[in-house]
Amino acid sequence: EAQVTQNPRYLITVTGKKLTVTCSQNMNHEYMSWYRQDPGLGLRQIYYSMNVEVTDKGDVPEGYKVSRKEKRNFPLILESPSPNQTSLYFCASTREFGHTEAFFGQGTRLTVV
Amino acid sequence: GNSVTQMEGPVTLSEEAFLTINCTYTATGYPSLFWYVQYPGEGLQLLLKATKADDKGSNKGFEATYRKETTSFHLEKGSVQVSDSAVYFCALPHSGGSNYKLTFGKGTLLTVNP
Repeated sequence: EAQVTQNPRYLITVTGKKLTVTCSQNMNHEYMSWYRQDPGLGLRQIYYSMNVEVTDKGDVPEGYKVSRKEKRNFPLILESPSPNQTSLYFCASTREFGHTEAFFGQGTRLTVV
Repeated sequence: GNSVTQMEGPVTLSEEAFLTINCTYTATGYPSLFWYVQYPGEGLQLLLKATKADDKGSNKGFEATYRKETTSFHLEKGSVQVSDSAVYFCALPHSGGSNYKLTFGKGTLLTVNP
């Protein structure tokens, strides 16, 4: 089954404690990206990757890091989380950017206290 | 850059009612257009798409037509069901400079009552 898997689904953490949200896809897609979803602001892109070792900033990259060492994995790293990073996060992948369906993970609800 | 303006709602309908959710866009060229749906507690999933002007995308009774003249991609369904209750997002790809992303509308929450 084609899918994007994110972990964890829910996470409560404290300010400043480093965390990683994992994302893995089984469709051999080259393009992957991270979005955050906030009430009233919709979905905003954090980072994206066009292929292995190729990553770039989206619209709201501050406070986040990513890596793409393998095609299937695209983890999101928060080195020092702050309360304004409390949000719902989605990972997505697509075979051909702009023309084909984007597959989304089920989301990670992060709360930073 | 590309942008999407979507009717925000919320929209509340009775079962079997007609649904329209408006979406207009601004874009360079003629990008593919998408509708995504987010059911409670889940990620987004593709509902339908259209890849060129005058194309009609359809799925699960939903339809949307790519209108170049009015730069619109309105979502319609003739008879909604309780199971259609979800948030609906209009989206188009943006590729320019060094950024490649889907640009989403703010989303429309649809609630269908029995």
